[in-house]
Amino acid sequence: DTAVSQTPKYLVTQMGNDKSIKCEQNLGHDTMYWYKQDSKKFLKIMFSYNNKELIINETVPNRFSPKSPDKAHLNLHINSLELGDSAVYFCASSQGYRDSPLHFGNGTRLTVT
Amino acid sequence: QQQVKQSPQSLIVQKGGISIINCAYENTAFDYFPWYQQFPGKGPALLIAIRPDVSEKKEGRFTISFNKSAKQFSLHIMDSQPGDSATYFCAAKGGYQKVTFGIGTKLQVIP
Repeated sequence: DTAVSQTPKYLVTQMGNDKSIKCEQNLGHDTMYWYKQDSKKFLKIMFSYNNKELIINETVPNRFSPKSPDKAHLNLHINSLELGDSAVYFCASSQGYRDSPLHFGNGTRLTVT
Repeated sequence: QQQVKQSPQSLIVQKGGISIINCAYENTAFDYFPWYQQFPGKGPALLIAIRPDVSEKKEGRFTISFNKSAKQFSLHIMDSQPGDSATYFCAAKGGYQKVTFGIGTKLQVIP
């Protein structure tokens, strides 16, 4: 059973297109996140939702719009894709207590050409 | 602004040797320090974590050493194995705030 699953695993698209990445967790966690990992492996948080409510919104272009239909799902929609958006995007989840570890999905590798 | 500084960025260790990765932080509000391990094509996964009320935590071959006064912590991997080859991230968190990650260390253990 995959705890945090995200689709698709690979996404190749052209500049200017709009694309979505979906994430689902079956751990019963109340908080979900989107992280971006660049080519140098640096992990940067983008968004966090707690019980469907946006609680962290880092300095991310407004072309990126997260949506959480319920506690178990967090999707990421990206408009007008740019070359610089190429990266691996990770979904993660955690429970609400302070030392709760992050559980990551296996990532979506987005390539914008 | 890098709140958690991690070094080295890459590390090559012989099988059976000790791998050491160091991290330093600035924010004294941090009170939880996890380490994550990431294999190629996978997401990071929690390896071991420590709270600042202890100076050392050991789980199998993995040990975290913590120096609160110096605001430094490190990961030691004893008897390093080729299967330990991965990217390691130190991280820090304060209360219910977001996790801040170091830049990562790519470890290669050679036979």
